[in-house]
Parts: sequence; C-alpha cells; structure tokens
Amino acid sequence: GAVVSQHPSRVICKSGTSVKIECRSLDFQATTMFWYRQFPKQSLMLMATSNEGSKATYEQGVEKDKFLINHASLTLSTLTVTSAHPEDSSFYICSARAYQETQYFGPGTRLLVL
Amino acid sequence: DQQVKQNSPSLSVQEGRISILNCDYTNSMFDYFLWYKKYPAEGPTFLISISSIKDKNEDGRFTVFLNKSAKHLSLHIVPSQPGDSAVYFCAASLIQGAQKLVFGQGTRLTINP
Repeated sequence: GAVVSQHPSRVICKSGTSVKIECRSLDFQATTMFWYRQFPKQSLMLMATSNEGSKATYEQGVEKDKFLINHASLTLSTLTVTSAHPEDSSFYICSARAYQETQYFGPGTRLLVL
Repeated sequence: DQQVKQNSPSLSVQEGRISILNCDYTNSMFDYFLWYKKYPAEGPTFLISISSIKDKNEDGRFTVFLNKSAKHLSLHIVPSQPGDSAVYFCAASLIQGAQKLVFGQGTRLTINP
C-alpha cells in the first residue's frame, strides 16, 4: 500500500505553546488529506478534511482557530495545535488519498501537553 | 450519534480458528464499507473493503460479508494467526471514494497460541 509519514511521532509541550505536526504522502500525490483524533479506547474522530490549495473543512465542534491546517502541496499537510492545553493531549492521525482512492493512514503523533 | 457501531470491545480466539468481527450501521445511505487494522501507537492499515452492490468480498484469509437489510457487516479471518492480534475498525462512507469515513469504536482481537 501507499506510504504516509507523520512527524513527530511523539511530542511533549508546555501548556500555552503551539505544536506543528506534519503529514506527508511519500509515494503518491494526495489530493485530499484528513486529520483524525483518537482518545484512548475510542474511535477515530475526523477533525478536518483538507484539499491541496484550498481551506480545510472542519467537522462540527472542531475549532478551526485552534487546529490550523495547511495543505501546501500534494504531498504535505500540517496541523498546528495553537495554545495547547492538557485537554488537547491525544493521538493525532492523518490520512491521505489520491482522487477517489482508498485512504492511507500515517503512523500517528502522540501529543502530551503538560 | 454513533452511526457505525462495533458492540464487542474485545474478542479472544484460538490460533488456527476463525475470528469473526461484527459491525452494525444505522445510516442506510452508506454505500461503501472498509475494515482497518491498527496496532498500538500506529496508524490504521487498510485491510479489505466492500461495495453495497456486493454481499461478499474475499482477499486471502480475510472475507467481508455485508447484509444490507440488517445493516450489518462482518470480517472473517481464517485461519487466525498471532500476528492478527490488533484493534480492528470498520468504517463506512456514503459512496466509494467519498471524502468522509465514519469509524466504529474498534474491536481488540487477541489470538491465543
């Protein structure tokens, strides 16, 4: 299957700081990238969908000013958690897909906000 | 509103036997279904999918069955192997290739030697 990478794999930050997570499709051009969040023992919850060159579409209840998404190219999307708080601690997973193809997921980023 | 439900949080199966993971959905507009496998601290890996025009799709040891009238799908793994131990998520979308996937809560499968 296609390869999607995420960086960093794990990050610990202080409350009030911002954290950027990168998602890259390594061997295909991703017309669409998705950002998910998973709490322990719960399902993956879609946060937002981003298409290259356009603004992200956020799911209901997700603050777009807090979770900034940039899809600058067909192989890179970034999620920035601004002014992070302990309740933002979670496992963040991105996925990417070419037009109408299957979504391929990255390995995830564990965020811990102290 | 949980549109995709996996009611069994965990399942234990003996190695070599059949593993059956179940998934129910409520939205009759869902048209395409997928199963993903996830190891701890990793992203989900696509396993197998099925379109609503079919009732069965098979790929090696993995078979997915779809019962549209019951709004139910299942994943069969036979024979089960220790490496199959993971969390399995079912997901649904309104059409194949659609933007949004709706995931179930996941079922943790443990294969016992």
